[in-house]
Amino acid sequence: QQPVQSPQAVILREGEDAVINCSSSKALYSVHWYRQKHGEAPVFLMILLKGGEQKGHEKISASFNEKKQQSSLYLTASQLSYSGTYFCGTEDFGNEKLTFGTGTRLTIIP
Amino acid sequence: KAGVTQTPRYLIKTRGQQVTLSCSPISGHRSVSWYQQTPGQGLQFLFEYFSETQRNKGNFPGRFSGRQFSNSRSEMNVSTLELGDSALYLCASSRNTGELFFGEGSRLTVL
Repeated sequence: QQPVQSPQAVILREGEDAVINCSSSKALYSVHWYRQKHGEAPVFLMILLKGGEQKGHEKISASFNEKKQQSSLYLTASQLSYSGTYFCGTEDFGNEKLTFGTGTRLTIIP
Repeated sequence: KAGVTQTPRYLIKTRGQQVTLSCSPISGHRSVSWYQQTPGQGLQFLFEYFSETQRNKGNFPGRFSGRQFSNSRSEMNVSTLELGDSALYLCASSRNTGELFFGEGSRLTVL
């Protein structure tokens, strides 16, 4: 079962912040985040493992709440280069395959 | 370090035909996963191979099959193509689990 991402799409001005949420109905072992620019391959951003950790990547960070089976991706002071579709991928216990959500399209305008 | 290479990049087939897509993983990566990407559906997991063995399989019909060779290169095959099989097929490699490195995909159009 696919994780649910919200919002489906968001438009921001440069410098604004965004939060993308990912939730699952299953107990999760890990959450992955990827970004795909138009016409390109998805690119890895970060992995969060069970344990409620928070990770950062430049001005992009994420949290993982294993009790709520949710993860959130935070983009602060967004740049034009952040535009793209963001996918979360989840692994649940006993199932190593990575299941992706349907994506969140982020558009940054000047 | 060369990335994941997928061939062909584009192809057009007609209903009922079959197609074989190829994926060369990053050197040293033993795991290869395949995903189908369509608008609105995101990335749908097809299967994963590790050391020539299928380790996981998604919910696709038996028309979709794959294999992995001893050099970790992988192929996927779709038989009796249907219009709904039109999609971008992405291959990703990894060392075992963890970060996936995606290829640019093979875009299949079924007429």
